[in-house]
Amino acid sequence: QVYLQESGPGLVKPSETLSLTCTVSGASINFDTFYWGWIRQPPGKGLEWLGSVSSGANPYHNPSLKSRVTISMDTSKNQFSLKLNSVTAADTAVYYCARHASWFNPWGQGILVTVSS
Amino acid sequence: EIVLTQSPGTLSLSPGETATLSCRASESVRSTFLAWYQQKPGQTPRLLIYGISTRAAGVPDRFSASGSGTDFTLTISRLEPEDFAVYFCQQFRSSWTFGQGTKVELK
Repeated sequence: QVYLQESGPGLVKPSETLSLTCTVSGASINFDTFYWGWIRQPPGKGLEWLGSVSSGANPYHNPSLKSRVTISMDTSKNQFSLKLNSVTAADTAVYYCARHASWFNPWGQGILVTVSS
Repeated sequence: EIVLTQSPGTLSLSPGETATLSCRASESVRSTFLAWYQQKPGQTPRLLIYGISTRAAGVPDRFSASGSGTDFTLTISRLEPEDFAVYFCQQFRSSWTFGQGTKVELK
């Protein structure tokens, strides 16, 4: 069984960088042929794919976020990470990590990140 | 980017009734790259159906999906109390996008 767990600060100040890590167990992100991605959900709203990374491939990111998103892998720790810079209140959301190919499964439990001074 | 539009926004039904949820894509999507998720309040989205109509592990057979091209449907037959939730469709072509969700609420 594959499990994913998000971790990171729950509060980020405006204009700063949001940094989250997803720790994977039950699968090796270095050898798995799946993508490892980030999705967010603002309170009471829908889901937005942010970006993904896969072993041996360049990261993908949602074009709507332009160059604000960076996704990377640390295969030694079996983790992948999200960095979102220049955050504003609009970036307040529950952030999920997930394994995926065409569809997302499984998901982490999610972490609420609030952008506020 | 392919935009997925779900309708209706909210569906008010009683247990035992059938829910029909629509997902329309702005461009053609291969059925094999369309998925549906269920999300209950405070919970993580749960994969329900992927591909043309393959149910994920543990999903009861009252959930079914169909469609092709730009129009897709999720049908929930004989609604059970635990089925009242928000449902999202999701597609993959050049990138991954989600619909805005349909809430199935108790009438």
